[in-house]
This record gives sequence, C-alpha cells and structure tokens, in this order.
Amino acid sequence: GAGVSQSPRYKVAKRGQDVALRCDPISGHVSLFWYQQALGQGPEFLTYFQNEAQLDKSGLPSDRFFAERPEGSVSTLKIQRTQQEDSAVYLCASSLVGISSNQPQHFGDGTRLSIL
Amino acid sequence: AQTVTQSQPEMSVQEAETVTLSCTYDTSENNYYLFWYKQPPSRQMILVIRQEAYKQQNATENRFSVNFQKAAKSFSLKISDSQLGDTAMYFCAFMVYNQGGKLIFGQGTELSVKP
Repeated sequence: GAGVSQSPRYKVAKRGQDVALRCDPISGHVSLFWYQQALGQGPEFLTYFQNEAQLDKSGLPSDRFFAERPEGSVSTLKIQRTQQEDSAVYLCASSLVGISSNQPQHFGDGTRLSIL
Repeated sequence: AQTVTQSQPEMSVQEAETVTLSCTYDTSENNYYLFWYKQPPSRQMILVIRQEAYKQQNATENRFSVNFQKAAKSFSLKISDSQLGDTAMYFCAFMVYNQGGKLIFGQGTELSVKP
C-alpha cells in the first residue's frame, strides 16, 4: 500500500492477556517509530528502529512492552500481562532515512487498545 | 529534557477567518526541527508544516504559516481562510537534529471551524 498500515484497528483484551500490534511501514522506509497516545493527550515516544536495529527504547514504560522488527520491515509491538493503564492508541510511523532526520514521519491510523 | 507546551486546549473560528494556535518549547539544544501535525477523527497524523531552527525565515505552506521566535522558544501556527476541513486536533512537535528522529509532542489544541 501507499501508506503505513497498522492492524488491528481496534483491540479489546482482558487485563492480564498478552496482545500484539502490527505495523507495516511504507516500503523502503528505514526508520520506524512507535508512539503511545492516551485519550486527550499528545503521542509519547516508545521506541525507534533503524532497519532491524532497535536504537532507542527509552520510552517503553515497563518490561511488559517489547517491540521487534526482525527483517527491517514489518514491526510488532507486544504487551504482556496487559493492565488498564495500557489502554491507548498506539501509533506507528516510518520515515525514509535515519538519524539525519530531515525526512518527515508518515503515520498510520493507529490501533486503539482497550483493556477491560 | 525537551518539553512542548500548548496552552490552548480548545479553540474555535468562523469559516474564512484566521486563527493562531500557540506553542512554546523548552530545550538546551541548538539544532532542532519544529512541526505542526493535524489529527482528524480518523486518527492519522498529517504533517502540516515544519521549521528548521537554523532558518530565520518562517515556513509557509499555502494557508498555513508559522511565527518562529527562537529566542522566546515560541512556535505558533496561523491558519488563514479557515475551512471546515481544518477541524481537527493540532499538535506541535519538536525533534532534536541527529538523535534518531523521535518526536516530542505537546498536549494538542482542538480546533473547531464553524460555518
């Protein structure tokens, strides 16, 4: 597709369950970012990949959060033992090049995660 | 640490009028970028305009322009000839040059354009 694709669009899970959120970036984009957006707030950075390398995971809120991008394209954000405070929209973004960061980030539509 | 503050949670404007959204930021860095993103109810973040901190000239994109005051650490967005399709959440964002590209967002301003 032409844009960043995220799935599922909505996910409902019971507290304590594990969830996996998928991001398919724009083809050829080197950099991939995950953000968490709580209701009524701005997005907050979670983690960043350049190709398959996870260069920054400083924003991951706990060790229950894990992200991977094994082949440098599709990425998965996994949350283990979900808690109610994990309820948020999870946004994925990709950009063409890496650290020099003059290229804009293109965002997906996000996954809205609701923990019951 | 960098912070971005948007002090106007909600704003409204009449169609065809002009509106200005405020943003201030705090950083000790000298090389950075500033952005305004629009987020309609569909949730997709759309880049509206960006400004490189080393450029003194204010960026302009059609009806959108910024007033960048580096010394005051202020970065406001002016929307001219507001259209109904401009109704959305607007986020100001900051990025340090050469540090991976992560964006730091403000809390957002919900803009309503009224007919």
